[in-house]
Amino acid sequence: DTAVSQTPKYLVTQMGNDKSIKCEQNLGHDTMYWYKQDSKKFLKIMFSYNNKELIINETVPNRFSPKSPDKAHLNLHINSLELGDSAVYFCASSQDLRNYGYTFGSGTRLTVV
Amino acid sequence: TQLLEQSPQFLSIQEGENLTVYCNSSSVFSSLQWYRQEPGEGPVLLVTVVTGGEVKKLKRLTFQFGDARKDSSLHITAAQPGDTGLYLCAGDVTGQGGKLIFGQGTELSVKP
Repeated sequence: DTAVSQTPKYLVTQMGNDKSIKCEQNLGHDTMYWYKQDSKKFLKIMFSYNNKELIINETVPNRFSPKSPDKAHLNLHINSLELGDSAVYFCASSQDLRNYGYTFGSGTRLTVV
Repeated sequence: TQLLEQSPQFLSIQEGENLTVYCNSSSVFSSLQWYRQEPGEGPVLLVTVVTGGEVKKLKRLTFQFGDARKDSSLHITAAQPGDTGLYLCAGDVTGQGGKLIFGQGTELSVKP
């Protein structure tokens, strides 16, 4: 009965590979997000979607492509992985764009070697 | 560029002590949210404050939103080892698609 679930939890891959992270929420929320947390624990938004529509693309390299097949799912595909992409990626959701608080997933630790 | 300055970055105290964490910005936020994150987990929402001057209490935690909605504080009374974790403040910028601006975080360690 996890509210926001993302898979995988850990991802270790070589430079140049392509990988995907999946996220699903069962809260009935309209808005979903991807955030990146760096090694200093700083969280920065990457994308937000509202009812499957892209709302925010925060100057993220176009190697990162989000996809929202329905409002309960938001996946993140990353092409040609680079060392600098190593971080923890969090999926989150909020009831709607008014945002009275997020529910976060437990994160995906991506390590590019 | 909107920034949220959070201080202190690290705090190590003894059980029973009180502490305050601050978040300051030059930007006005429609709401200010506080989260707590434990290792290997995602941040968990503690509180959302939306009205300037608002004070909310959650057991031993007291949250305050500044009158001008640019700053906030978190005060913990009689800290316990179970309060240990990373505390994050985050500001919701009106009209920016639900985007949150996060502070740098405060790593709190409460020793028994």
